Amino acid sequence: KQEVTQIPAALSVPEGENLVLNCSFTDSAIYNLQWFRQDPGKGLTSLLLIQSSQREQTSGRLNASLDKSSGRSTLYIAASQPGDSATYLCAAAGGSYIPTFGRGTSLIVHP
Amino acid sequence: KAGVTQTPRYLIKTRGQQVTLSCSPISGHRSVSWYQQTPGQGLQFLFEYFSETQRNKGNFPGRFSGRQFSNSRSEMNVSTLELGDSALYLCASSTLTSDLSTDTQYFGPGTRLTVL
Repeated sequence: KQEVTQIPAALSVPEGENLVLNCSFTDSAIYNLQWFRQDPGKGLTSLLLIQSSQREQTSGRLNASLDKSSGRSTLYIAASQPGDSATYLCAAAGGSYIPTFGRGTSLIVHP
Repeated sequence: KAGVTQTPRYLIKTRGQQVTLSCSPISGHRSVSWYQQTPGQGLQFLFEYFSETQRNKGNFPGRFSGRQFSNSRSEMNVSTLELGDSALYLCASSTLTSDLSTDTQYFGPGTRLTVL
């Protein structure tokens, strides 16, 4: 059974910092790994999807990497802004087609 | 293209009642999944429907059920509501093409259910 862990659970940083969010998964037989953002009380917004054959994906100030052999993915946020404050979740999708989600990292970027 | 829509957005019920939530996927998406999100348990998978068939089911009691219609719209029903059913219920749709590695889930805004 796939298990996904996200560290840290919460993070508070000053505006402008570069930061890294971590995601680890126990079963490396995945189709893809997806990073989502969730604002309080809202649905999830897809940020980046990394296919199992890829090592990284980039979108603007976001860069996500995937290392299947070690069961790890990282989300790098450059030059953080207050608008980046949200909960970030990763999800690993494997053989059952159903993604397994981590508990998320709650990020606060203060001015 | 319109996103995933869920109705109603907010719902208040009392214990013992039943509730039906609705989800309309993105046009062309045939797979619809339902999740329950609570502060204590995080995001938990309920079930997934594809072409009107339930293909996967999470570890929830039989009080939780769902269905999908021929136009891919989906409903989930919770009978005999309990206080612990209070949660944000999220629906997600995806295309599920032959290349699963590209399959992306798109989420709706959720239905906030409060059971009193």
